[in-house]
Amino acid sequence: KAGVTQTPRYLIKTRGQQVTLSCSPISGHRSVSWYQQTPGQGLQFLFEYFSETQRNKGNFPGRFSGRQFSNSRSEMNVSTLELGDSALYLCASSLGSPVPGTANTGELFFGEGSRLTVL
Amino acid sequence: AQSVTQPDIHITVSEGASLELRCNYSYGATPYLFWYVQSPGQGLQLLLKYFSGDTLVQGIKGFEAEFKRSQSSFNLRKPSVHWSDAAEYFCAVGALRESGYSTLTFGKGTMLLVSP
Repeated sequence: KAGVTQTPRYLIKTRGQQVTLSCSPISGHRSVSWYQQTPGQGLQFLFEYFSETQRNKGNFPGRFSGRQFSNSRSEMNVSTLELGDSALYLCASSLGSPVPGTANTGELFFGEGSRLTVL
Repeated sequence: AQSVTQPDIHITVSEGASLELRCNYSYGATPYLFWYVQSPGQGLQLLLKYFSGDTLVQGIKGFEAEFKRSQSSFNLRKPSVHWSDAAEYFCAVGALRESGYSTLTFGKGTMLLVSP
């Protein structure tokens, strides 16, 4: 069973540009979450999609957006890049909210991340 | 809202020695708890999880964790550390709401260094 796949793995952009990151979840997973990881702030939640609907959003500016397609693949976009957007962006998929009494405990399965450097 | 505290930013352990990484959470109801490990340049890998039942849970790579409700803790332990265990470890707490929706909140991580 293939894991979570993120593309591209590495990219370099300059301030003011925009970037789109892609995530293919594990087959059968309908929930995709995005996290930003930086040395100073740790893992910060960006947003989560389930069946093409954004269910929750973290405390990030509107420059950060995402979407999910009917095949559960997800993209996130960052517009007007700033130096502080340099980070590892992690995508995680899951079966969705945990269901007591079942094997679904809400665990996240992470991809290897997309390393974004903004110059 | 739930929160997670990992009080130790760095820990150095000699190879073969025992390990305990601390995690304290804040959440009003019964949480579900996870430990993840991240090697450099990699994503996060699940070590173990607690959802309900036995408060001592076993995970992969010889790790275990104990849920202590009275102390709001979920500390990770390993009896004998191997050099390959050097990595960053993250504790996470999830919230199961009435709507059924939940998110995971992560601690800031503990970097484990293993000395020869």
